[in-house]
Amino acid sequence: EAGVAQSPRYKIIEKRQSVAFWCNPISGHATLYWYQQILGQGPKLLIQFQNNGVVDDSQLPKDRFSAERLKGVDSTLKIQPAKLEDSAVYLCASSLTHWSPITDTQYFGPGTRLTVL
Amino acid sequence: DAKTTQPPSMDCAEGRAANLPCNHSTISGNEYVYWYRQIHSQGPQYIIHGLKNNETNEMASLIITEDRKSSTLILPHATLRDTAVYYCIVRLGNTPLVFGKGTRLSVIA
Repeated sequence: EAGVAQSPRYKIIEKRQSVAFWCNPISGHATLYWYQQILGQGPKLLIQFQNNGVVDDSQLPKDRFSAERLKGVDSTLKIQPAKLEDSAVYLCASSLTHWSPITDTQYFGPGTRLTVL
Repeated sequence: DAKTTQPPSMDCAEGRAANLPCNHSTISGNEYVYWYRQIHSQGPQYIIHGLKNNETNEMASLIITEDRKSSTLILPHATLRDTAVYYCIVRLGNTPLVFGKGTRLSVIA
């Protein structure tokens, strides 16, 4: 079974530039998550989708971050404009569903390491 | 904020059991205990979870105290590939995973 795919693996940009990350979840997984992991810290949830609808985006800095999952499969996370403090690893995860401890085990991709100069 | 307390680091000799403790003194009756680990430069990996009873799978065992205020993750025969940051997370179903800083386990040959 293929895991969660993410691209690119690494990205370096200047501050105030834009950047986009792509995620393809495990086939059949309805729930998709984006996390931000700053060096030395645990991952922090940015946004959660159930199919193509947003379940939780309370921690997403909406003035500069946006995310979509238009067809309920793959997803894109965008930052525009980037700031120095956005330097982090951006992780995508997926689960079968999000409402039962039996089916909400999250499987993570390898992440995209973003460096903002 | 994370609802758990873990030691920042631990060492374990290869082949020995690794016992990783977690305190969750404010856990409520319906909250589960989850364990994930993160190997360097990889995304977190699910290990195990439990509510009240001890649990075992092919990766590890989870021992939860009777009062549920603490738990221990046991890797029965640690290998070098088990070197990682281990996160203990307490959560209700249908709520986000909230990661703390975890325990950095170093398995030593």
